[in-house]
Order: sequence, then C-alpha cells, then structure tokens
Amino acid sequence: GESVGLHLPTLSVQEGDNSIINCAYSNSASDYFIWYKQESGKGPQFIIDIRSNMDKRQGQRVTVLLNKTVKHLSLQIAATQPGDSAVYFCAERAMGRRALTFGSGTRLQVQP
Amino acid sequence: DAGVIQSPRHEVTEMGQEVTLRCKPISGHNSLFWYRQTMMRGLELLIYFNNNVPIDDSGMPEDRFSAKMPNASFSTLKIQPSEPRDSAVYFCASSLGREGKEQFFGPGTRLTVL
Repeated sequence: GESVGLHLPTLSVQEGDNSIINCAYSNSASDYFIWYKQESGKGPQFIIDIRSNMDKRQGQRVTVLLNKTVKHLSLQIAATQPGDSAVYFCAERAMGRRALTFGSGTRLQVQP
Repeated sequence: DAGVIQSPRHEVTEMGQEVTLRCKPISGHNSLFWYRQTMMRGLELLIYFNNNVPIDDSGMPEDRFSAKMPNASFSTLKIQPSEPRDSAVYFCASSLGREGKEQFFGPGTRLTVL
C-alpha cells in the first residue's frame, strides 16, 4: 500500500529526538480530527484524535495540538523511534458527517 | 478480533474486465467506508454505508464503479469495465457508533489494470 504523493513532504529526524508533523485543514466546519500512521504495505492505523472543543490531547508518546484560529493541526511524537518511520496523515470530519477528508500526508524518516 | 478483512490482497487484470473487491468489516461496526489511494491523488473516499445503507457515494468516480452491502458483515466494490487509470490501492474501513469516530482500516487491495 504505497501511500505517498509525488511531492510528499518528508521529515527526517534522529532516533530519540522529538518530531513535529504539521497539517493545515480547510473546512472551518470540521469538528473532529484524527491522525493516522501508514506503514508501507499496510492500511492507515489510528494514532490519536481530538475534538474541536479541545486544543490539546495527549496519548502515549504522542500529543495532538489544534489551533482552530488558523486551522492548523500538529502531531508531536516524543523520543522518536525507528518504528515510527511511516507516512502520517491528518484527517478532518465536518460536523454532522461521518466521512473523513484526508490530507496528503507527511513521510517521517527516523535515522538510527 | 481479526480486524477488517479485504480480499483479494492483489489483483492484476486486463482492461475491460470486471473486478470485484471484497470487504468484511469488524463485527458489530455499523459504518463501512471504501477508499482509493493513488500516488497522484492520495487517499480519497469513494462511498460509505451506515447500517448497510449507502449514505454518500459522491466520491465514486463514474458509473463503472458500484458498491453494495447486502448485510452487516460483507461489502463489495465492483468496477466494470476496468481501465488502467483505476489502478490503485483500495481500502475498506469500518467504524462503530452514531458519530462513526475512529475508522479501522483493512490491509487494502492493490489493483493493477493492464
């Protein structure tokens, strides 16, 4: 399952460093946001989500930040590991809808 | 739980042939989604079902594409006739609940139309 666009942005970090992946969304009516991780040959895997009434949510080693003013979403990964290497997608869902709209993705490369 | 199951995992066919992709959602999930992923267009929603009923098929490219969900545990995506530009990875996902929160994706079917 190759998942990248021709011009997919790439973030390269050293193992142990923190990673920040950014996403700009377009629909001001979106009320729910998700980050997915996709490894080569696999389907997207849920990482963390956040509702529009929050601006920060933390999981295990991951934090999602939401800035509704500028329609910006970020995923922070603490102590990045080689297993974190993948393509990361943000997705938004408009209020009242079930369907998600996915961003184009960012490739994270973790150097050992 | 086995997760979302898709078959086949790989399909190679010739232009003009009919292609049928299959999906078994996670048991108990009431929403099912079909996505297509290509290098050029990324991940696109084709259609989704809620309680076996198609809710939004606005992403279906054209009449050559059709999807069915005859029961809660099975869905098909059919392309007839197939064209080379249909080559992509097709994902099925399912979710639970009225808001269809977290979607669980299957491993995908890689379709190549020659």
